[in-house]
Parts: sequence; C-alpha cells; structure tokens
Amino acid sequence: EAGVAQSPRYKIIEKRQSVAFWCNPISGHATLYWYQQILGQGPKLLIQFQNNGVVDDSQLPKDRFSAERLKGVDSTLKIQPAKLEDSAVYLCASSDSGGAGEQFFGPGTRLTVL
Amino acid sequence: KNEVEQSPQNLTAQEGEFITINCSYSVGISALHWLQQHPGGGIVSLFMLSSGKKKHGRLIATINIQEKHSSLHITASHPRDSAVYICAILSGSARQLTFGSGTQLTVLP
Repeated sequence: EAGVAQSPRYKIIEKRQSVAFWCNPISGHATLYWYQQILGQGPKLLIQFQNNGVVDDSQLPKDRFSAERLKGVDSTLKIQPAKLEDSAVYLCASSDSGGAGEQFFGPGTRLTVL
Repeated sequence: KNEVEQSPQNLTAQEGEFITINCSYSVGISALHWLQQHPGGGIVSLFMLSSGKKKHGRLIATINIQEKHSSLHITASHPRDSAVYICAILSGSARQLTFGSGTQLTVLP
C-alpha cells in the first residue's frame, strides 16, 4: 500500500513570495491533516479535513495560509506571502478513523524562507 | 505550560544500553501515541496506547492513566535507533493530536 505522498520535498523562497505544497493521502483515508513543525518543536496542527470539509482550522494563520481539498482526496496548502517565521517542515498526515486512530505521515516539505 | 512534556530533551547512549524516554501530560486522554522521526522529517507511528503496556521488538511502551505518565523503553539500543521520539496525546472528544517537543536520541557505536 502506497503511503502519504508530499511534494516538493524541499523549497527555498524569499520572503513575500508565494509557495504551495501538495499532499496525496493513503487511498480511502477520509481524514487529512496539515501540520507545521518548527525546528526543535513538535508538530502543530494547521488544518484538519474530513473528506472535503474543514473540521478544524483554528490554528491556521488565515491572513496568509490557505488550504483546500476540493474532491476529498489530495490537498494543497498555500502560503502567500511568506514570512521568515514560516520556515519549517510542513507535514501531511491521513487517517481512516476520523482522528481516533493511527495517523500516517508523509515525508514532509522543508520550507526555507530567506 | 504545555499539555505534553517530554524528558529528557536530548539523550546520548552507548550501543547496547537500555533507554527510557518519559512523557507527562496534564489533561484526560483517550489515547497516547509514540512516534519516531528520522532526519529528513518523516514520522512513523510506533505505538498507540490507552492503558497498560505494549511491546514491539526491542521497543516497549507503558502508560499509567492515573499518574498521567507514559514511558518508551528501548532495550539493547543500536545506532539505527537514533532519531527524535515524540509523544502525542488524543484528549477528550478531540480528534486531533497534541504533540510533545520530542526527545533527540543518539546511540553511539
């Protein structure tokens, strides 16, 4: 079974530029998560989808971050414009049990904002 | 105060040593996860616990619900065990994980 796929793996941009990340969850997984992990810290949830609906986006900085999962499968996370403090690893995870069970993580996208 | 506290933050051990990583939390939980993160970012789920003890190979995870504490043990540690180990809790009716800041483990040959 294929795991959670993410791209790109690495991205370097200058502040005020835009960037987008893509995630393809495990087939059949209804729940999808985007996390931000700053160096030396644990992951922080940005947004949780159940199919194509948003369950929780309370920690998403909506003035610059947006995410969508239009067909309830793959998802994109966008930052526009980027700030220096957005430098982090962006992790996507999926689950088939609405969040109560195991989450499967992708390899992450390491973003560096200069 | 963070809801999830891990100790130690960093741990260096010699190959073969018995290792313990601790996790304390401050809220009622429905489950606790132990995760492993290797350099490069990918995270792998090791255990999900709601009570008692689980064992997988050289890894053992225990949880004491009354004391709000969990431990991850590694027996006969090996350099390939070097990674960040993260504790995460699923609390109450939430369907989201709250993560600790991780323990960086380095096992020297």
